[in-house]
Amino acid sequence: DTAVSQTPKYLVTQMGNDKSIKCEQNLGHDTMYWYKQDSKKFLKIMFSYNNKELIINETVPNRFSPKSPDKAHLNLHINSLELGDSAVYFCASSRTASNTEAFFGQGTRLTVV
Amino acid sequence: SQQGEEDPQALSIQEGENATMNCSYKTSINNLQWYRQNSGRGLVHLILIRSNEREKHSGRLRVTLDTSKKSSSLLITASRAADTASYFCARGMDSSYKLIFGSGTRLLVRP
Repeated sequence: DTAVSQTPKYLVTQMGNDKSIKCEQNLGHDTMYWYKQDSKKFLKIMFSYNNKELIINETVPNRFSPKSPDKAHLNLHINSLELGDSAVYFCASSRTASNTEAFFGQGTRLTVV
Repeated sequence: SQQGEEDPQALSIQEGENATMNCSYKTSINNLQWYRQNSGRGLVHLILIRSNEREKHSGRLRVTLDTSKKSSSLLITASRAADTASYFCARGMDSSYKLIFGSGTRLLVRP
């Protein structure tokens, strides 16, 4: 059983489109995250939800909107995609919000053309 | 920058040798974690060391933490080709929920 699963694994889309990435965890964790990994492998946190409540909202364009329908799911919707949005997006979860061990999904490689 | 610095950026060793990677940071932490990322995959947690601990072992991994120098090191002993991956340190911040990742060390273990 995959602990943190995100779909799709690959996403190629044109500039200006709107797309969503879905994430689900079956670990019973309270906290979920979205990270962005750029071409230089820097991994930067974007958002975090704890029990469906937004607790981290880094300085990202408001074209990015996370949604957590329940504590097992955290989706990422991106409007008006730009070339610079091309990256690998990782979903992760942890038991609590207190900097505990994070479990990562396999990543979604987004390519904007 | 809040991101930690890791060195070296890349390391190439022969199978059987030891690999040491270092991580430095600037702000206070409550823990420091090490993760491995194989090419094209997600990150996998290796070990967590709390700010009041100095050393921790897990199999062939040894992590040290020096809070006075704000640095940590990951030692992989008797390396194997399968250890080839990128290794990241991540700091659990004292003042927020954030887990801040370093820039990673790319390790190549030659058979």
